[in-house]
Amino acid sequence: ETGVTQTPRHLVMGMTNKKSLKCEQHLGHNAMYWYKQSAKKPLELMFVYNFKEQTENNSVPSRFSPECPNSSHLFLHLHTLQPEDSALYLCASSLDPRSYNEQFFGPGTRLTVL
Amino acid sequence: DQQVKQNSPSLSVQEGRISILNCDYTNSMFDYFLWYKKYPAEGPTFLISISSIKDKNEDGRFTVFLNKSAKHLSLHIVPSQPGDSAVYFCAASGSGSARQLTFGSGTQLTVLP
Repeated sequence: ETGVTQTPRHLVMGMTNKKSLKCEQHLGHNAMYWYKQSAKKPLELMFVYNFKEQTENNSVPSRFSPECPNSSHLFLHLHTLQPEDSALYLCASSLDPRSYNEQFFGPGTRLTVL
Repeated sequence: DQQVKQNSPSLSVQEGRISILNCDYTNSMFDYFLWYKKYPAEGPTFLISISSIKDKNEDGRFTVFLNKSAKHLSLHIVPSQPGDSAVYFCAASGSGSARQLTFGSGTQLTVLP
């Protein structure tokens, strides 16, 4: 148990669906992150939020829309996804928003787009 | 182009022997390196780290070595235990454009009883 929870753990959706992934951290951290992990590939950073403000967007398509209502919660809203978006989506948090080091990860959401 | 490379996708080691996992990087701006361990159905968990001002950091059975001139780091696990079987990710960060945590693709370690 890392103190970072993600729901749902598994999600299957069609290309026309709209769904949301949720992440919650119970560590009092100030920075939260979304990563994508495709099979046999490194983790790819998608978004970074520091003190609820988005500070990084790594050229992520607009069909992925993040939301950070407070320092403890992070959402990833999904709409009109493509089959190639099927992957493991990991949320992470860290104490110091000035440093990307020693991030704590949630268990991930396994997303399948049909 | 991958800035952090783990060229061995898998490694099998006998219980009690040493496991050596390797990682190479290309960005000279990286100055902090981490190893994460990931079990199936779980997120990566932080294992050990090293700053570029050091060449070795030890924590129990785990030791990380850094060779800055070769842009190479390695994780040694001695003695290896079956519970160490997992995917190990190398990661690096630095300053400026390198401040994001950049991960390798991982090495699956299997420790055989």
